[in-house]
Amino acid sequence: ETGVTQTPRHLVMGMTNKKSLKCEQHLGHNAMYWYKQSAKKPLELMFVYSLEERVENNSVPSRFSPECPNSSHLFLHLHTLQPEDSALYLCASSRGTGATNTGELFFGEGSRLTVL
Amino acid sequence: QKEVEQDPGPLSVPEGAIVSLNCTYSNSAFQYFMWYRQYSRKGPELLMYTYSSGNKEDGRFTAQVDKSSKYISLFIRDSQPSDSATYLCASPYSSASKIIFGSGTRLSIRP
Repeated sequence: ETGVTQTPRHLVMGMTNKKSLKCEQHLGHNAMYWYKQSAKKPLELMFVYSLEERVENNSVPSRFSPECPNSSHLFLHLHTLQPEDSALYLCASSRGTGATNTGELFFGEGSRLTVL
Repeated sequence: QKEVEQDPGPLSVPEGAIVSLNCTYSNSAFQYFMWYRQYSRKGPELLMYTYSSGNKEDGRFTAQVDKSSKYISLFIRDSQPSDSATYLCASPYSSASKIIFGSGTRLSIRP
């Protein structure tokens, strides 16, 4: 496996379900991100985990809960979601988040989430 | 006002045409700029970045920044059907942990 892998690729869930998205990076990076991509909207940064910092977008609802057990794995736990949460959830990694980082993000292929 | 704005398209041009993709930004603090390309059912991948005003060329692609007018452009010469994708402009805000993306322009190159 190389790059950034995300599972599952597609997920359909009801509003009362609990599910998790998984991301794994094989690049030796030390920063990982969750982004939300909705049609015709900019990529929305949800969470960042790195050795230097943990960043949370305060506008992300608490029904989204991240977990980063180590530098290679990132989870997004989902519970009691709403239909408007349907989107493509992208995981990314980078070498770091400091000022010397060029900002290059390596993205996975995304998990397409549909909330019924 | 969005910090980075793009025309969502779709933009459709014939193969071989010169393509111009554009973004405007509002924050004067942005120091450098990136273009990501996203193929259908894939994640975005970095195409080019540039640190300052002026042009940067890479093969058929040229990135241009005009800080005086807060305008970013990506030119594609001799466009190919394989260039069909969504192109997103972006800039890091204060640090690489917060990259501001445009909403993307969907480009289609007709054979």
